[in-house]
Amino acid sequence: DAGVTQSPTHLIKTRGQQVTLRCSPISGHKSVSWYQQVLGQGPQFIFQYYEKEERGRGNFPDRFSARQFPNYSSELNVNALLLGDSALYLCASSLGTADTEAFFGQGTRLTVV
Amino acid sequence: GEDVEQSLFLSVREGDSSVINCTYTDSSSTYLYWYKQEPGAGLQLLTYIFSNMDMKQDQRLTVLLNKKDKHLSLRIADTQTGDSAIYFCAEDNYGQNFVFGPGTRLSVLP
Repeated sequence: DAGVTQSPTHLIKTRGQQVTLRCSPISGHKSVSWYQQVLGQGPQFIFQYYEKEERGRGNFPDRFSARQFPNYSSELNVNALLLGDSALYLCASSLGTADTEAFFGQGTRLTVV
Repeated sequence: GEDVEQSLFLSVREGDSSVINCTYTDSSSTYLYWYKQEPGAGLQLLTYIFSNMDMKQDQRLTVLLNKKDKHLSLRIADTQTGDSAIYFCAEDNYGQNFVFGPGTRLSVLP
């Protein structure tokens, strides 16, 4: 079985641009969460989606948005990129919203220049 | 709000035991977790403990929970060079998301 897959693995964007990151959860998992991990820090929660609905949101500006599709895959969008958005963006999938085990993808390394 | 703290660095010799400590603030957490992150990789779930347990053992890993002091520890027996990584303590937030600590970088010396 494939694990959580994220694409792209790396990308470089310019300040002010927009970016879309993609995540495919483990087959059968209906919950997807997004985390931002700035270099040298622990991951910070951005969003959780379950059954295509937003179930939780962290302390991030409105430039960050996400959605979940009928096949439970998800996209994270970030508008008007700032240098401080440079980070590793991690996607985690779980069966439901309160499962003990969440499985993380390898992440997308975003560099804003 | 929730806050999780860890010491940032730990260095041990190969074959010794490693103990990584963590303190958390949210007493309502149902589960507490330990994740491992190797360079350039995502997070790997190592183990978790239910909040009404004191201890959990899983092969070389032992988790101790002191709920009164909100203190969690991870002991790795017979530490190997392959255990070198960053270890994150995390608590759940009403099952909605994880709150992670800053991570402890474990270096295993030969």
